[in-house]
Amino acid sequence: DTEVTQTPKHLVMGMTNKKSLKCEQHMGHRAMYWYKQKAKKPPELMFVYSYEKLSINESVPSRFSPECPNSSLLNLHLHALQPEDSALYLCASSQTPGQSREQYFGPGTRLTVT
Amino acid sequence: RKEVEQDPGPFNVPEGATVAFNCTYSNSASQSFFWYRQDCRKEPKLLMSVYSSGNEDGRFTAQLNRASQYISLLIRDSKLSDSATYLCVVNQGGGSYIPTFGRGTSLIVHP
Repeated sequence: DTEVTQTPKHLVMGMTNKKSLKCEQHMGHRAMYWYKQKAKKPPELMFVYSYEKLSINESVPSRFSPECPNSSLLNLHLHALQPEDSALYLCASSQTPGQSREQYFGPGTRLTVT
Repeated sequence: RKEVEQDPGPFNVPEGATVAFNCTYSNSASQSFFWYRQDCRKEPKLLMSVYSSGNEDGRFTAQLNRASQYISLLIRDSKLSDSATYLCVVNQGGGSYIPTFGRGTSLIVHP
């Protein structure tokens, strides 16, 4: 089963709200990723967790705060977002954080910031 | 210069046609390569990994040319359902593991 799940599917939030995006995989993968994708653009890497530790932060603003509570779960906490943060947020996982590993993506959370 | 480049297209082809896409990369230390397809408003789905010797999966063939630093995807006997955006992904080498996406190539297969 190569399934990555994400909740919620859609989220509308105001600029003063705090919300969280959730991602879960039960494939035993030890690397998990957050991406942001705007319309007609490729996914942009935000964070990489390797064995539950943050290994890559691609200079993401602090209003995005990732968390990896265990090897199956990945959260993205959102606070004081801007309208330009509206996008599709994709979670992915791979078997290990090695160079030859394929990533499997969740269906994404479509976020609108008003 | 962008690290991973693709022609955005769109490539407009009739059913049954053969179509090929290329993807060039700038980091010669890159070690692994993939093709994903992404349908409108959906997540990317792994189509195939690209191996040094080239590999085939049904109507799809992927090739790697390290000397010229590009990978290719060939689709034979195109189907309407092949219409999608095809994303090239290169895992950067040199000690850091950062998957880098090309901007994608749009394919439209028409009857």
